[in-house]
Amino acid sequence: NAGVTQTPKFQVLKTGQSMTLQCAQDMNHNSMYWYRQDPGMGLRLIYYSASEGTTDKGEVPNGYNVSRLNKREFSLRLESAAPSQTSVYFCASAVTGGGGGYTFGSGTRLTVV
Amino acid sequence: GENVEQHPSTLSVQEGDSAVIKCTYSDSASNYFPWYKQELGKRPQLIIDIRSNVGEKKDQRIAVTLNKTAKHFSLHITETQPEDSAVYFCAASSERQLTFGSGTQLTVLP
Repeated sequence: NAGVTQTPKFQVLKTGQSMTLQCAQDMNHNSMYWYRQDPGMGLRLIYYSASEGTTDKGEVPNGYNVSRLNKREFSLRLESAAPSQTSVYFCASAVTGGGGGYTFGSGTRLTVV
Repeated sequence: GENVEQHPSTLSVQEGDSAVIKCTYSDSASNYFPWYKQELGKRPQLIIDIRSNVGEKKDQRIAVTLNKTAKHFSLHITETQPEDSAVYFCAASSERQLTFGSGTQLTVLP
């Protein structure tokens, strides 16, 4: 039982490059989330998908786009990477929106130079 | 939206002592309050949670208390051990998403 799987684990980008972070869950969860984690700032929500077919902005959506490809998969795209997007990115899933515990992926450490 | 404040940002205790981490939230509609533990380089993992219809919940050495009137909740760890050293995050949610506190780095000194 893999839970939440994120790829890649590490990535270095040059400013202006694009990339997509992939996330898949096998727990039949309805809701999926993308967070970024920066030192001293906790986990900040970028985008979320409360259910298949819907996506909503979180606290820090600028510079990102998302796609809920199906119930299992939720991808995060950086169209033109900036050094301010250097961070650790976590995908998470939950049965429903706010009423239950989240299961996190192992994270992607992204560096933009 | 919801705003969650967490204190202290760092906490050092001697092995065997207790540790307390406190959080406040702003949205009175929030009804679910989980706590996560994150070891260095690892993902956050749920350690305990409480819902708004309960005032206290215990699981072995950890407990969480909730005061809805004051809009604050706390994590209590008793008989701390070196393996308790980690970053702890509180969170609060209403319907659609969790909002996290900024984290507490707990260090248990041998």
